[in-house]
Amino acid sequence: DSGVTQTPKHLITATGQRVTLRCSPRSGDLSVYWYQQSLDQGLQFLIQYYNGEERAKGNILERFSAQQFPDLHSELNLSSLELGDSALYFCASSAFSQSLPYNEQFFGPGTRLTVL
Amino acid sequence: GQSLEQPSEVTAVEGAIVQINCTYQTSGFYGLSWYQQHDGGAPTFLSYNGLDGLEETGRFSSFLSRSDSYGYLLLQELQMKDSASYFCAVRDNRDDKIIFGKGTRLHILP
Repeated sequence: DSGVTQTPKHLITATGQRVTLRCSPRSGDLSVYWYQQSLDQGLQFLIQYYNGEERAKGNILERFSAQQFPDLHSELNLSSLELGDSALYFCASSAFSQSLPYNEQFFGPGTRLTVL
Repeated sequence: GQSLEQPSEVTAVEGAIVQINCTYQTSGFYGLSWYQQHDGGAPTFLSYNGLDGLEETGRFSSFLSRSDSYGYLLLQELQMKDSASYFCAVRDNRDDKIIFGKGTRLHILP
């Protein structure tokens, strides 16, 4: 158990809908990352937040948005869903600090999104 | 653009040694990381090379050569439980984007 929790575990919805995925980082970790993993694809970095502020942005679609709240949990919002958005969405956390270029990331169990 | 290339699959025998390579095209990054992911599971961190050279952690070792744009993960005394996908990853030092390779699926034969 990494200490990172994600809800829900599974989500089935229809095209055009909007969903929210939730992530709670490990206790003490200030940084949260979101990834998308499609079938036969590697992990696609979406976005990173550090202590409530956006820190780095990957190839996140405009239909997707995220935020990190004062209690450090994070939410990933996916709107106008398309069939191609079906994937496993992982959240990870780390003790990232501005003075350290890298910190080990701890991944949550993921949310499997199915868009029908 | 930045990319990391890994073989899609590697097969080895239980008890043997296997090397998983990662070559990259990126202008600058902080270091090379490796993650393991079992089917249906989440990625777990294995190792990190910030500097050139070899890092050893038990049965696993990782190597980085920035001049050759190349790194590898070495797994020794293979066990059936090592059957998994292995990903290399970097963080771009210009915009902090994180890039993962597409992963290498390791099959272990008894």
